[in-house]
Amino acid sequence: DTAVSQTPKYLVTQMGNDKSIKCEQNLGHDTMYWYKQDSKKFLKIMFSYNNKELIINETVPNRFSPKSPDKAHLNLHINSLELGDSAVYFCASSPGTGLVEAFFGQGTRLTVV
Amino acid sequence: GNSVTQMEGPVTLSEEAFLTINCTYTATGYPSLFWYVQYPGEGLQLLLKATKADDKGSNKGFEATYRKETTSFHLEKGSVQVSDSAVYFCALPNQAGTALIFGKGTTLSVSS
Repeated sequence: DTAVSQTPKYLVTQMGNDKSIKCEQNLGHDTMYWYKQDSKKFLKIMFSYNNKELIINETVPNRFSPKSPDKAHLNLHINSLELGDSAVYFCASSPGTGLVEAFFGQGTRLTVV
Repeated sequence: GNSVTQMEGPVTLSEEAFLTINCTYTATGYPSLFWYVQYPGEGLQLLLKATKADDKGSNKGFEATYRKETTSFHLEKGSVQVSDSAVYFCALPNQAGTALIFGKGTTLSVSS
C-alpha cells in the first residue's frame, strides 16, 4: 500500500497547456502539501491544506491552483504552462498542524517544452 | 523566521569512510529537527529526527544530535556504503509550525 501516491509520475507537455497532478494519501493525515523541487534540488513549499482548508499559499503564480475535495486528496492544477514550471512536484502529508513530520509521494517530473 | 543551512556538496567518499554533513539552524524556540534522504528518482524519506535539545536521532547507522549551544544538527555515519549515495536534506518547521523548511541538500556519492 502506497502511503502518499501521486499521478502521473512523468508529465511532458507544451507551453500554454493546462495540466493537473493528483495526490492521495491513505495515512489518515489531516494536512497535505505541495512542494516544488527545482533542477538544483532546492525544495520549496507551495501550498498546504489542513482538513480541506488552505493554510499556506506561498508566493506562487495564480496559474497554480490547488484543490482539496476531501482531506485525503490534494490536486494541483496548472494553467498556461511555462518553461520555468519544469520541475519535480512533490505531494506530502503530515498528521496535523504543528506535527510537520512529512511523508512524501514519489514526485511528478513535469517537463514543459 | 526559521531557516536552515547545510554544507554544499557534492561529497564524494570511498566505501567505509566516515561521513559528516553539517547543518545549522536559526529558529524561534526549540523546534524538532529532521534529516531526510532522497534516493535517485524517488521522493524524500525521513531518515531521522530529534524533538528536543540534546536528543540524538539515529537510523540505518546514521546519527545526529540536536545541539542548542551551537544550533547544529550534523549528520554522521561511521562507515558509508555505496547504497548510501543520495541527496540528504536537513529540515525544520517554519515559524508557524505549518510546514517544513529544507536546506539546499547535500549530494553524497560513495564509490566502492
